[in-house]
Amino acid sequence: NAGVTQTPKFQVLKTGQSMTLQCAQDMNHEYMSWYRQDPGMGLRLIHYSVGAGITDQGEVPNGYNVSRSTTEDFPLRLLSAAPSQTSVYFCASRQSIGGRQPQHFGDGTRLSIL
Amino acid sequence: SQQGEEDPQALSIQEGENATMNCSYKTSINNLQWYRQNSGRGLVHLILIRSNEREKHSGRLRVTLDTSKKSSSLLITASRAADTASYFCATLTGANNLFFGTGTRLTVIP
Repeated sequence: NAGVTQTPKFQVLKTGQSMTLQCAQDMNHEYMSWYRQDPGMGLRLIHYSVGAGITDQGEVPNGYNVSRSTTEDFPLRLLSAAPSQTSVYFCASRQSIGGRQPQHFGDGTRLSIL
Repeated sequence: SQQGEEDPQALSIQEGENATMNCSYKTSINNLQWYRQNSGRGLVHLILIRSNEREKHSGRLRVTLDTSKKSSSLLITASRAADTASYFCATLTGANNLFFGTGTRLTVIP
């Protein structure tokens, strides 16, 4: 039982490049989400999903796309990377939509945009 | 932003002392949760308190919630060097999303 697995752990991109951050969970959780963490800002919600085929926007969705074709996977796509997207990205999941259970986090992807 | 704020931003104490962190939030909530983050790692859930609860304990952790003041506190008793980490409060809103505060960086000196 690996929990939430994020790949890659580190990535450097040039402005304008695109890439996909991978997230997979093996706990059969309904709810998955992506956050970015910036110094002094805490974690901010980018996108979330309440089940396969269902996604929605969080606080800071611009510049990012998500999809949820399976229960296990929830990739985050940067369409055209910008320096403002330099951050640490965390994927999280929890058992159900209701939110009475704890969220499980991956160890993050550290992304630098040059 | 729906983020909460933790206070203080940083806290340094001696091993064995108690550490208290406070969290204030802006909107009505379903529950409030506290998480710990060790350097370079993801967040780990510590404790959840529902909006109709006032106090909750888990081991050396004690959480209080005052919904009239929109505030919560986390007390860690008899701190250890291994408690050194950042601590975040998070509030669950009606839309079932979790919004995080800005965190308190705790350093426990051996």
